[in-house]
Amino acid sequence: KQEVTQIPAALSVPEGENLVLNCSFTDSAIYNLQWFRQDPGKGLTSLLLIQSSQREQTSGRLNASLDKSSGRSTLYIAASQPGDSATYLCAAPYGNNRLAFGKGNQVVVIP
Amino acid sequence: EPEVTQTPSHQVTQMGQEVILRCVPISNHLYFYWYRQILGQKVEFLVSFYNNEISEKSEIFDDQFSVERPDGSNFTLKIRSTKLEDSAMYFCASSAPGTQYFGPGTRLTVL
Repeated sequence: KQEVTQIPAALSVPEGENLVLNCSFTDSAIYNLQWFRQDPGKGLTSLLLIQSSQREQTSGRLNASLDKSSGRSTLYIAASQPGDSATYLCAAPYGNNRLAFGKGNQVVVIP
Repeated sequence: EPEVTQTPSHQVTQMGQEVILRCVPISNHLYFYWYRQILGQKVEFLVSFYNNEISEKSEIFDDQFSVERPDGSNFTLKIRSTKLEDSAMYFCASSAPGTQYFGPGTRLTVL
């Protein structure tokens, strides 16, 4: 079974600072890893999917890295903005493509 | 941009009643999923569906749950006899395969 842990559970940063969100997973036999954003009471928005053959994937101010051997992924958000305030979820696949989710990193960007 | 849609957005039901949650996946996707999120907890996998049959299910997905793709566009989750502990946000997702795209969710409240 895949267990996903995200640290820190919550963080507040002033606007403009870079954010570093960490995710660890127990089963390193993954073929990809997905990062999502969730706003309060809302659905999950896919941010990035990083393949196991990649070490990094970038989309705008977002950059995700993946180190399968150590069971870790990191999401970097450059120059944070108040609109980045949300919960960020990491999800690793196991079995036949089911996703195991972490509990999330709850981010508040202070203007 | 294509998206996954879900109806209703909120469903309130009495314990013991049957509910059907509806989803319209992205049109050219082949894999369909249901997940749920109990308030304050992780997103949990329920079931995946491919080629008109269940490909994988979790221990949560017992005989009270069923899924169906009644036509070429809809994907439904039925709970036969709801319990208080079924209260949660239910998310539908679809993939091509690859990235899983999530709908906005149905909030199910069982009284």
